[in-house]
Amino acid sequence: DTGVSQDPRHKITKRGQNVTFRCDPISEHNRLYWYRQTLGQGPEFLTYFQNEAQLEKSRLLSDRFSAERPKGSFSTLEIQRTEQGDSAMYLCASSRTTSGTKYEQFFGPGTRLTVL
Amino acid sequence: AQTVTQSQPEMSVQEAETVTLSCTYDTSESNYYLFWYKQPPSRQMILVIRQEAYKQQNATENRFSVNFQKAAKSFSLKISDSQLGDTAMYFCAFMISGGSNYKLTFGKGTLLTVNP
Repeated sequence: DTGVSQDPRHKITKRGQNVTFRCDPISEHNRLYWYRQTLGQGPEFLTYFQNEAQLEKSRLLSDRFSAERPKGSFSTLEIQRTEQGDSAMYLCASSRTTSGTKYEQFFGPGTRLTVL
Repeated sequence: AQTVTQSQPEMSVQEAETVTLSCTYDTSESNYYLFWYKQPPSRQMILVIRQEAYKQQNATENRFSVNFQKAAKSFSLKISDSQLGDTAMYFCAFMISGGSNYKLTFGKGTLLTVNP
């Protein structure tokens, strides 16, 4: 299976701790997105990479959040000093830039974060 | 800013019957894409169907079809011959075309249950 993978699938942490999530996109995809999905809501856009460049960040992404995509391959999303309001499912998606298919985003299984 | 509204939090249908899920959106853009994504319980989100706004013909994918009314900003999903495997959360999503981001804006979702 060469789909989008995310690690870990579940993370339980205490308030104030730092957490880091990883996303491995489909290998030929140069675009990578992070979304956050809270209970009863649709996913909300957090940030977007094209290759290694982070091109847009949502205002939802406070200064406690940082994302990287070194070498334009996998990406990490770090949350510092976690708060209970950070509890959510964090989804990663990737897409390619080839005309005709660039609009389809392929999603990973998500990382469910619980902050106690 | 774009908004997507799904007014039906939950719906149910009997196996083999037809069901229609509603979606309305608001945008000042003229070129965009609309999507329906399916998120089965504890599984990752997958694309069901896509509609380009410049196309008048409604998209179809096997048992799934859309009714796209651009002037009314309406984009409903019809599922024919419903199957138990169609039980899932369905999200309507919007994407501006021709931009530099391709982020998705999602509605809150409709939980569809197919009953045997």
